[in-house]
Amino acid sequence: GAGVSQSPSNKVTEKGKDVELRCDPISGHTALYWYRQRLGQGLEFLIYFQGNSAPDKSGLPSDRFSAERTGESVSTLTIQRTQQEDSAVYLCASSLEGTSNQPQHFGDGTRLSIL
Amino acid sequence: AQSVTQLDSHVSVSEGTPVLLRCNYSSSYSPSLFWYVQHPNKGLQLLLKYTSAATLVKGINGFEAEFKKSETSFHLTKPSAHMSDAAEYFCVVSVGSWGKLQFGAGTQVVVTP
Repeated sequence: GAGVSQSPSNKVTEKGKDVELRCDPISGHTALYWYRQRLGQGLEFLIYFQGNSAPDKSGLPSDRFSAERTGESVSTLTIQRTQQEDSAVYLCASSLEGTSNQPQHFGDGTRLSIL
Repeated sequence: AQSVTQLDSHVSVSEGTPVLLRCNYSSSYSPSLFWYVQHPNKGLQLLLKYTSAATLVKGINGFEAEFKKSETSFHLTKPSAHMSDAAEYFCVVSVGSWGKLQFGAGTQVVVTP
């Protein structure tokens, strides 16, 4: 079946511009996660959505970062007034439900480069 | 607080020889542990998971890992490395009730002919 789909796969933009990244989770997965992976580093948690509950935004690094998800479908991560330190791969994952023993399934990520 | 430490940042093995990737965890209760693999320019793929059932966990592509509570370890092994195993491997612990993941720093595996 279809996995987690992310778009675009690559994005190059100028410093100060806004960018929007999209994630389509696996159908039926109620939990959705966003992560950031800087070059040569592990993954950094950004935000978590579970169904219609209020999201856990505790990982968002600044108020320039925001994310939305409608129900159990598509999510968008928006970065406003991009800075060079925002350059990274942004990975989205989904799981059947948001519990500790459910594995997360990852998309291939969006590689964001800020000039 | 739960965390994982991957003891090797790089591992180099010859094709056909065993692979050992070491991971220690810290957890105040029985953790859920995972190993993921990341090939270049790809997302993470789940290799295997431990969720308090059998302590020896078999995963995909011939990998397995053993949960040792006494040593707080969850090392990943494969008896015979293949060239396609060259990738980065992450040991991961699930923290909190909703599945928030804490990632190790990763181990880069190089396989030589």
